[in-house]
Amino acid sequence: DQQVKQNSPSLSVQEGRISILNCDYTNSMFDYFLWYKKYPAEGPTFLISISSIKDKNEDGRFTVFLNKSAKHLSLHIVPSQPGDSAVYFCAASARGWGSQGNLIFGKGTKLSVKP
Amino acid sequence: KAGVTQTPRYLIKTRGQQVTLSCSPISGHRSVSWYQQTPGQGLQFLFEYFSETQRNKGNFPGRFSGRQFSNSRSEMNVSTLELGDSALYLCASSPGQGSEQYFGPGTRLTVT
Repeated sequence: DQQVKQNSPSLSVQEGRISILNCDYTNSMFDYFLWYKKYPAEGPTFLISISSIKDKNEDGRFTVFLNKSAKHLSLHIVPSQPGDSAVYFCAASARGWGSQGNLIFGKGTKLSVKP
Repeated sequence: KAGVTQTPRYLIKTRGQQVTLSCSPISGHRSVSWYQQTPGQGLQFLFEYFSETQRNKGNFPGRFSGRQFSNSRSEMNVSTLELGDSALYLCASSPGQGSEQYFGPGTRLTVT
């Protein structure tokens, strides 16, 4: 049973426009959420995180929104650039339950940003 | 600051053999987690070590084991290799206080 779901395997966006990547979770004990970007033949690179006490966190072109009642989070990239083309993973952990070292990952969304 | 390093980067083993993978965390990081990535299952948590103690364990058979040394370096071992163990094995480190994890490049294991 998947606790973290990324229902869109792929997304294609024009350069300069907004990219919105979505993620849903089922476990209400999750209290910390992260987004990672992964290029082929490399390990995931940390992008941005959000604690469950917040509903928004912003870092440059990247903003993560958390809707706890809907158990949904999203990553917005504005403006999108061709270098953003990669696989994006959503991850969650239950830090308050002693599982901070255990990240549960979604299956990823492949973002393609076209020039 | 140097990132997480993993050795070897690529490995080919035969079914039934055993393998040891190594991970050196970012300096000052005390937590090391291991993940297996396969096309079908995605990224799955194996185990986490903090200050030489296993703090969390994923849902993998006992053939998968690990340890952490006093300098925070970690090793994972897989015994009696099966074809299904072919995967990218990723190590991640963090300061250990519930903060983000930083991943190494992974070790690509192929079992024939």
